Amino acid sequence: QVQLVQSGAEVKKPGASVKVSCKASGYTFTSYDINWVRQATGQGLEWMGWMNPNSGNTGYAQKFQGRVTMTRNTSISTAYMELSSLRSEDTAVYYCARGRGRQAKGLDYWGQGTLVTVSS
Amino acid sequence: DIQMTQSPSTLSASVGDRVTITCRASQSISSWLAWYQQKPGKAPKLLIYKASSLESGVPSRFSGSGSGTEFTLTISSLQPDDFATYYCQQYNSYSRLTFGGGTKVEIK
Repeated sequence: QVQLVQSGAEVKKPGASVKVSCKASGYTFTSYDINWVRQATGQGLEWMGWMNPNSGNTGYAQKFQGRVTMTRNTSISTAYMELSSLRSEDTAVYYCARGRGRQAKGLDYWGQGTLVTVSS
Repeated sequence: DIQMTQSPSTLSASVGDRVTITCRASQSISSWLAWYQQKPGKAPKLLIYKASSLESGVPSRFSGSGSGTEFTLTISSLQPDDFATYYCQQYNSYSRLTFGGGTKVEIK
């Protein structure tokens, strides 16, 4: 069965960086894009960007350009999302999600979420 | 960027009610729209893709319609398990996604 398993909760200070991992299993990792979506407590969903695990190509939301980097390690079927220059407003649950049909057919499998807390 | 506006933001309904949620795009997105259901503390679940295609395993009481800039999600007969928050999401040709603000369906 398809699974996306994310790394554990993180606590970071303002100005630091965080790197969240997303390990895929149950399907061919390089055949589907990985998207990252975040959700602050009590708020809606915010799309951050996508990465094609086959080519390494990425596409980021304008809001996060210059601050987010999405990478992968195909040998262990794992995607990574690194967010730098953290501020308190980045406190949120971060999800990875598989994009079907280059996202055109929706995000069909999601990780369990990783809580990132930014606090001094 | 394409903006997605959902209405209402909160909806109170009873079991058995027919429920309709609307999502409007700031410009035409053809049929590139998905709907998700999210329950507290859980990841979103894909319900509908390409505006009206039902995801495998999703009950047939859920349906989607629309194209261009106006879309609807309909639950034909609300069940206890359906009380949740629903989000629309658009996809454009540059693989950029945007979510709507969400609609919380509450028990009346």
